[in-house]
This record gives sequence, structure tokens and C-alpha cells, in this order.
Amino acid sequence: QVQLVQSGAEVKKPGASVNVSCKASGYDFTSYAIHWVRQAPGQRLEWMGWINAGYGNTKYSQKFQGRFTITRDTSASTAYMELSSLTSEDTAVYSCARSFLVGAPGNWGQGTLVTVSS
Amino acid sequence: EVELTQSPATLSVSPGERATLFCRASQSITTNLAWYQQKPGQAPRLLISGASTRATGIPARFSGSGSGTEFTLTISSLQSEDFAVYYCHQYNNWPRTFGGGAKVEIK
Repeated sequence: QVQLVQSGAEVKKPGASVNVSCKASGYDFTSYAIHWVRQAPGQRLEWMGWINAGYGNTKYSQKFQGRFTITRDTSASTAYMELSSLTSEDTAVYSCARSFLVGAPGNWGQGTLVTVSS
Repeated sequence: EVELTQSPATLSVSPGERATLFCRASQSITTNLAWYQQKPGQAPRLLISGASTRATGIPARFSGSGSGTEFTLTISSLQSEDFAVYYCHQYNNWPRTFGGGAKVEIK
């Protein structure tokens, strides 16, 4: 079955960067896309970006442009996100999710809590 | 960026009653709209894509309709497990966006 397993919770200081991984299994990793979505405590879902896991091309929300990067390692069937210049407003659960190249994400990772605190 | 406005923000419904949620897009997104259900501490669950196509395993009491800028999610007879927050999501334009969410609570 399709599974997306994310790395564990992180605590970071303001100004630092965070990396979260998303390991996929149960399907052909390169035939789908991976989205990154975050949710601050008590807030709405917020779409951050997308990577075509086959070609590696990406799309980002302009809100995060310049400090957010998505990459993937096809040999490891794993996608990664890196968010830099963290502030307390980046405290959230970060989730990866799979979709067809055009489509709505149908499978989600378990989420990774990133806490930014001095 | 396509803004999605959901209404109402909170809906109080008795079990067995019908619930109707709305999602309005700031520009046409044809039928590239999905609905998700989210319960506390859980990942979102895809209910509907293509505005009206139920995802695998989703009960028939969930139905979606609409196109262009106006969309509806209807839950025909609310079960206890349906009390949750519902989000609409557009995948027609970049960046993808989500609505603000609508909470369906027990009346």
C-alpha cells in the first residue's frame, strides 16, 4: 500500500533552517508528484510547494520563495523540504502528500511538527 | 493566486441531518476542486476530487457539485464520525490553495 513516512519532530532556533524528509513506498515514486503543506496550530492548511518526482521540476508558493526548497532522491524514493530563516511563525506541522502530476493529493504523510523557539 | 472562500465557517447540525458546505473561488477553476475532511491530530482525508468524484472508500452520503467558481459539498445524513473540519482545495492554478476551512459540529 502507498505510504509516506516523514522524519521526526524538530525544535529550531529563530534564524535556523529545518530539513524534513518524506520516504515513499508502495508505488512508482517517479510517476507522481509530492506536495508540501503546512498547518500552524489551529490554523488552515497552507500549500507550500510541489515537486514532479520524475523530472524534479518544482513549483512554490510565492510566500516562501527564496527560503523554501524541495528536492528528491529517486534512488531512495524520498522527497525533502528545507525551510530557512525560521521565525516563530513557522511553527507548524509540515506534511508531504502524493498526487498525480495534475491532481489533488490523496495520500499524506503523518506530519512533522517543527517548533521554532529561542 | 486563487482565493477560496468557504462558508459557513461553522455549521451546527444534528446527527442524521443534512449538511451543505460552500466554496467560492476568486476566478474560474473549472472542476479542479477537491474536498478534504480533517479530524484533530490527523492528516486530511481526500473526499472528493474533480468537484464531484468521490475518492476510493468514501461513503455515498458525501457528494460534491459545482464548476467555475461555485462549489458545494453535501453530507446527506450526518454520522457521528463526520463531525470534523472540511477544506476545499483548488489544483487548477499555481500556486495551489486551500480554503479557510469549515467546522461541522454537533448541534
